[in-house]
Amino acid sequence: DADVTQTPRNRITKTGKRIMLECSQTKGHDRMYWYRQDPGLGLQLIYYSFDVKDINKGEISDGYSVSRQAQAKFSLSLESAIPNQTALYFCATSDHDLTGRLRNQPQHFGDGTRLSIL
Amino acid sequence: KQEVTQIPAALSVPEGENLVLNCSFTDSAIYNLQWFRQDPGKGLTSLLLIQSSQREQTSGRLNASLDKSSGRSTLYIAASQPGDSATYLCAVLPQNQAGTALIFGKGTTLSVSS
Repeated sequence: DADVTQTPRNRITKTGKRIMLECSQTKGHDRMYWYRQDPGLGLQLIYYSFDVKDINKGEISDGYSVSRQAQAKFSLSLESAIPNQTALYFCATSDHDLTGRLRNQPQHFGDGTRLSIL
Repeated sequence: KQEVTQIPAALSVPEGENLVLNCSFTDSAIYNLQWFRQDPGKGLTSLLLIQSSQREQTSGRLNASLDKSSGRSTLYIAASQPGDSATYLCAVLPQNQAGTALIFGKGTTLSVSS
């Protein structure tokens, strides 16, 4: 089983619809992230969470919201989808030690959700 | 603001060739630098992570170097194979951990022909 699981893998929907993308992890990491990737562009950070009580906006958070339901679950919502939110969305996790320092380990990514908004 | 640039955007080579992918970043205050591989329709797979205090990391046919002072990293792939065809992404984690999210380049798409 994958360490970071995203559902759904693909979604096609219409403008104005509310959409939720879900992410769950089995790595026991405390930090989780949502990124967006557009063709020909690098990944851009939407939101990140240090733990269930700590949610932070990334560089492109407008039009999105998130919920950290548990340490292992982090969902991304588009309240009213618009066509320019069509993209590939990735969830990722990272880990920190007891002092709060980031472990020098790679972030772990899910396989992505391909979202198309018509 | 940290910016990450990857050159070239695309590269085509015949099988067996050694090749170098380049990554540059504008702010040398980084915690680490990571190289990822992305296959079509798939997520990102971590290839190598270089801590800010390190100069290079090796894994099999891959070698990544880091020169913080010049803001550069290279990924060297030896004896390329068709299975190496993918997009390679470079990402830096800023030293200031307030954000703790990676800053990515746009990637280099590699095609290795048999």
